[in-house]
Amino acid sequence: GQQVMQIPQYQHVQEGEDFTTYCNSSTTLSNIQWYKQRPGGHPVFLIQLVKSGEVKKQKRLTFQFGEAKKNSSLHITATQTTDVGTYFCAGSGNTPLVFGKGTRLSVIA
Amino acid sequence: DAGVTQSPTHLIKTRGQQVTLRCSPISGHKSVSWYQQVLGQGPQFIFQYYEKEERGRGNFPDRFSARQFPNYSSELNVNALLLGDSALYLCASSFGQITGELFFGEGSRLTVL
Repeated sequence: GQQVMQIPQYQHVQEGEDFTTYCNSSTTLSNIQWYKQRPGGHPVFLIQLVKSGEVKKQKRLTFQFGEAKKNSSLHITATQTTDVGTYFCAGSGNTPLVFGKGTRLSVIA
Repeated sequence: DAGVTQSPTHLIKTRGQQVTLRCSPISGHKSVSWYQQVLGQGPQFIFQYYEKEERGRGNFPDRFSARQFPNYSSELNVNALLLGDSALYLCASSFGQITGELFFGEGSRLTVL
């Protein structure tokens, strides 16, 4: 079945440093979504990408969908302590969303 | 507007028991999905219901069952609980059947002793 892999599993950064997490699917996706889960919380939707090569920005966050629609990345510029949490990608290929294992981001002030 | 509500928030069961978890979607949302999240892992898809019919099922044993009611609320049932069923059970609602943004509830944290 469809698998979605994320790297790295953990990332510790100093406040102000950049952060990137990568997502790869075993199959071509119709769309990819990104979610953030704060410690003790539930996943919260960030964005959805549907087009090959699509790039979307939300303030300091940049999301990219690969040309082959099998990979994606999330880049955070100048991290802040409020960015702490686990970032999940979730892909769909005409199937219910399949989540990756997430990248846990720690930000040291 | 109320978000997705789940109950109970926490519960403790012993092996072999049965549990029922409840979910009320956002008003107007017709699709409810259930996910299991084990500590340190991503949510794993269990079921999707749309318009009261099962539209998808993940790789979970038959001990797991669910249903959706005419008001679009949903229940997840797990029979013959195992220690490995201990997890956060997340309910997510969305407007349509085709995957769009999922709105998650706070979850029901199940501990099996």
